[in-house]
Amino acid sequence: DAGVIQSPRHEVTEMGQEVTLRCKPISGHDYLFWYRQTMMRGLELLIYFNNNVPIDDSGMPEDRFSAKMPNASFSTLKIQPSEPRDSAVYFCASSRDTQYFGPGTRLTVL
Amino acid sequence: KQEVTQIPAALSVPEGENLVLNCSFTDSAIYNLQWFRQDPGKGLTSLLLIQSSQREQTSGRLNASLDKSSGRSTLYIAASQPGDSATYLCAVRTTSGTYKYIFGTGTRLKVLA
Repeated sequence: DAGVIQSPRHEVTEMGQEVTLRCKPISGHDYLFWYRQTMMRGLELLIYFNNNVPIDDSGMPEDRFSAKMPNASFSTLKIQPSEPRDSAVYFCASSRDTQYFGPGTRLTVL
Repeated sequence: KQEVTQIPAALSVPEGENLVLNCSFTDSAIYNLQWFRQDPGKGLTSLLLIQSSQREQTSGRLNASLDKSSGRSTLYIAASQPGDSATYLCAVRTTSGTYKYIFGTGTRLKVLA
């Protein structure tokens, strides 16, 4: 298996633009997690899905953030409109028991 | 609310030393606990997973223990090497409410050659 796949790996955008981050989990995993990592706040859980259904989105910072999982092999995290304070590394992870992380998307909002 | 703490925040040791990293959690109702390694600019790599019914897990030079009653886990690294230099994070999967992971802030380890 190729592991958890995320795209893009790097994204630079201007304030106010829409950003879409993509994730392909490991086949057979029934949980998918979206995290954000910054120096100030560490690793924060944004939202997670179980069998494609959002279970806990209490970590989503505000309405500008949304996440979908239309099928078992694909998820998106969208930020609209983006702001400079959204700059961070965004990780996707999947699990059955052991959690496996993707390489992350480094987002810079100017 | 579950809180996870890792002490120390940073640690430097000479090569060859055995060392222990600590992870504390406030709510003993956990499903499992996982230790990760993160290299600079990289994602997290899973090292060991301990189920709530287990006391320890071993992989090579790594040994992780779990004491739910005291809310503690330790990661023991034997005969440390410069290649072990990284940030080590523990994560607790809760059973209260939703089955989400709560991460500690990590211990940044530097092994000196």
